Amino acid sequence: EPEVTQTPSHQVTQMGQEVILRCVPISNHLYFYWYRQILGQKVEFLVSFYNNEISEKSEIFDDQFSVERPDGSNFTLKIRSTKLEDSAMYFCASRKESNQPQHFGDGTRLSIL
Amino acid sequence: EDQVTQSPEALRLQEGESSSLNCSYTVSGLRGLFWYRQDPGKGPEFLFTLYSAGEEKEKERLKATLTKKESFLHITAPKPEDSATYLCAVQAGSGNTPLVFGKGTRLSVIA
Repeated sequence: EPEVTQTPSHQVTQMGQEVILRCVPISNHLYFYWYRQILGQKVEFLVSFYNNEISEKSEIFDDQFSVERPDGSNFTLKIRSTKLEDSAMYFCASRKESNQPQHFGDGTRLSIL
Repeated sequence: EDQVTQSPEALRLQEGESSSLNCSYTVSGLRGLFWYRQDPGKGPEFLFTLYSAGEEKEKERLKATLTKKESFLHITAPKPEDSATYLCAVQAGSGNTPLVFGKGTRLSVIA
């Protein structure tokens, strides 16, 4: 069964450094998402992406964050200057059509030191 | 603001002891309610979508139901492998709106 894949599984970065989290959505899916989950808290929406542009973003997704679909298969989340509070699990999700369920990857655990 | 509240936070069952998990929601124009299972260190795994009050879906020992204010996930004769966190999420409005998640119910099934 096709699945969403994310790399790396764990990323450790010094505060202030840039980090790029990578995702390969399911191949025929058209809608892409990033969510995060701070330890012990709810899964929170960051950003949605469709037709090569951002559809919607949350208050968390400030100008330190950006997303890109560079080559038609990868979907990346970049944090320009990481903060301690960016430490979380980051999940990528995709879906085929707007009325279909979102399918999630297994996440990247981001640890900021 | 769309909100999802799940109860209980944690549930411990003996193998074979059936029970229900609750998801209460407040949303402006429900487009769909989703149940996911999350194992430790993994991403949410899709279980069910419910679209309208009165709808029911079943998969093995799990059955999800929906009313205008809440959804239940019924677990019949659970096994230890059903131990996981069960997440409820809603999608509101139209278009490409995001999911709003509850905090989940952490289920432990003891043999």
